[in-house]
Amino acid sequence: EPEVTQTPSHQVTQMGQEVILRCVPISNHLYFYWYRQILGQKVEFLVSFYNNEISEKSEIFDDQFSVERPDGSNFTLKIRSTKLEDSAMYFCASRSPGTGENEQFFGPGTRLTVL
Amino acid sequence: GENVEQHPSTLSVQEGDSAVIKCTYSDSASNYFPWYKQELGKGPQLIIDIRSNVGEKKDQRIAVTLNKTAKHFSLHITETQPEDSAVYFCAASKNSGYSTLTFGKGTMLLVSP
Repeated sequence: EPEVTQTPSHQVTQMGQEVILRCVPISNHLYFYWYRQILGQKVEFLVSFYNNEISEKSEIFDDQFSVERPDGSNFTLKIRSTKLEDSAMYFCASRSPGTGENEQFFGPGTRLTVL
Repeated sequence: GENVEQHPSTLSVQEGDSAVIKCTYSDSASNYFPWYKQELGKGPQLIIDIRSNVGEKKDQRIAVTLNKTAKHFSLHITETQPEDSAVYFCAASKNSGYSTLTFGKGTMLLVSP
């Protein structure tokens, strides 16, 4: 069964450093998302991406964040200058282009720890 | 924007009992309501979803009900098993092309043998 994969599973970084989180969505999916989950809290939407551009973003997704689809398979989230409060689990999700296909398939997540 | 409230935050049941988790939403334009199960160290996995044109949907031991007028929907798990133990999230979205999900805070379900 196809699945969304994410690397690395755990990333530790120093405050102020740049990090890039990587995702490989399901191959025929065209809609891509990043969510984050601070420990013990709910999953929060960050950004959605379609047709090589951001389609929607939340208030959390400020100028420190960017997303990119550098090739036909990867989807990345970059945080330019990490802050302590960026420590969270980051989930990538993808969705089929089919009409009425709302299901978003989530990856296993990357745990980001900012020291 | 959409706000989803979920109750209870924790739920402990004995194996074989039923479990019910309830959610309310605020945006009447929302019309897609998925439920996700998240096991420790894993990403959320869809277990069942419902669209606003139906009031109930069932899949084996899992069922979801939707009351559009009251803006609430519930997850029902019957004959619970220890492997049902996990965190369950409800979510809501509009049927736009991008379907951003707004999640509830989650319910930790513990099923004791």
